[in-house]
Amino acid sequence: AQSVTQLDSHVSVSEGTPVLLRCNYSSSYSPSLFWYVQHPNKGLQLLLKYTSAATLVKGINGFEAEFKKSETSFHLTKPSAHMSDAAEYFCVVSDRNGGATNKLIFGTGTLLAVQP
Amino acid sequence: DAGVIQSPRHEVTEMGQEVTLRCKPISGHNSLFWYRQTMMRGLELLIYFNNNVPIDDSGMPEDRFSAKMPNASFSTLKIQPSEPRDSAVYFCASSFFSGTNTGELFFGEGSRLTVL
Repeated sequence: AQSVTQLDSHVSVSEGTPVLLRCNYSSSYSPSLFWYVQHPNKGLQLLLKYTSAATLVKGINGFEAEFKKSETSFHLTKPSAHMSDAAEYFCVVSDRNGGATNKLIFGTGTLLAVQP
Repeated sequence: DAGVIQSPRHEVTEMGQEVTLRCKPISGHNSLFWYRQTMMRGLELLIYFNNNVPIDDSGMPEDRFSAKMPNASFSTLKIQPSEPRDSAVYFCASSFFSGTNTGELFFGEGSRLTVL
């Protein structure tokens, strides 16, 4: 079965410093992977997605993620944090089982705090 | 486009009462998802529909929960009778599924339910 593990439940950084949010996946098939962001009292929004094209994926708001098959990882990074990046971030894998699917499996989330 | 529209945004009710949450997906989308989010359990998929047909309802907690999608532009999630442990934020999301690639999920802003 497909699954994702977000290694940190909370991450705190200072404004202007790099952001690293870690995610490992488990999948029997070539996975589709996503990062979603949720700002307080809002719905989730897609940041970026990987679907077997380029391994380095660029998303909105300066975020990017690199698919590393050897490490089964899909970590989210940003060179310089902004106060508006404070939110909860979810790593997500498509629940494939040999075929295409639109069912997604969400990680438990990482709450990012940005200190001034 | 107005995005996914959910109503009500907030609902406070007493134990035993019936609760109906409503969702209007994005026009042209053929898949609709109901999620529940709590601090304890995170984001849980309750049920999803493809082309108005329920595909997977394994996440529906128990018989008190039911969901319908009578047409492509409307869905309801009903809880009868409601219990305090149903208190959560309920999200509706929609996507376009081509049958080959996992489409982006677009989330509504959620319905915050409090059962006293």
